[in-house]
Amino acid sequence: DAKTTQPNSMESNEEEPVHLPCNHSTISGTDYIHWYRQLPSQGPEYVIHGLTSNVNNRMASLAIAEDRKSSTLILHRATLRDAAVYYCILRNSNYQLIWGAGTKLIIKP
Amino acid sequence: DGGITQSPKYLFRKEGQNVTLSCEQNLNHDAMYWYRQDPGQGLRLIYYSQIVNDFQKGDIAEGYSVSREKKESFPLTVTSAQKNPTAFYLCASSISGMGNQPQHFGDGTRLSIL
Repeated sequence: DAKTTQPNSMESNEEEPVHLPCNHSTISGTDYIHWYRQLPSQGPEYVIHGLTSNVNNRMASLAIAEDRKSSTLILHRATLRDAAVYYCILRNSNYQLIWGAGTKLIIKP
Repeated sequence: DGGITQSPKYLFRKEGQNVTLSCEQNLNHDAMYWYRQDPGQGLRLIYYSQIVNDFQKGDIAEGYSVSREKKESFPLTVTSAQKNPTAFYLCASSISGMGNQPQHFGDGTRLSIL
């Protein structure tokens, strides 16, 4: 099964952009790239997903490499409320859902 | 508001006891999932259901059982065969199992052993 690799933690300053990387070198053609974030003792919250093209929504942007072996979640202007663990997962129609340990994002005021 | 409700928020199990975790959704979603999360780890899939009266084992189904008698309900039973049940349990749903469908999560149930 395709897996994802993310840094354990990252720090950023408040009101600055944040780029969270994810490597998925064994991704298959039918795998969608999904991002979720999780606060302590809460369920994950959906952030964004994409297949091949870059995607934007009100929460974030997703930049997908041309070979699809990596992607980057972009928070355009981080706030203290964006501090969470961010998960990059691959999802296909066979119900395969591979969750790694995620990246703990620390926002410094 | 539509969403997923998990209950109870905290649950304690005695040795040799089965316990059932509740998961209800009013999103009219066909697919539902149960995950287990251990401290500092990602989620691991226990069971999933694509449609009523159908469910499939995930990666760590041993010691767990589920039923899907109604579209909105997907209870998980942690049996006495599960020797290390202490964990955070999360229920999720999605419109379907297709890869482009995001999952919606409940707020979880934290299970501990007495």
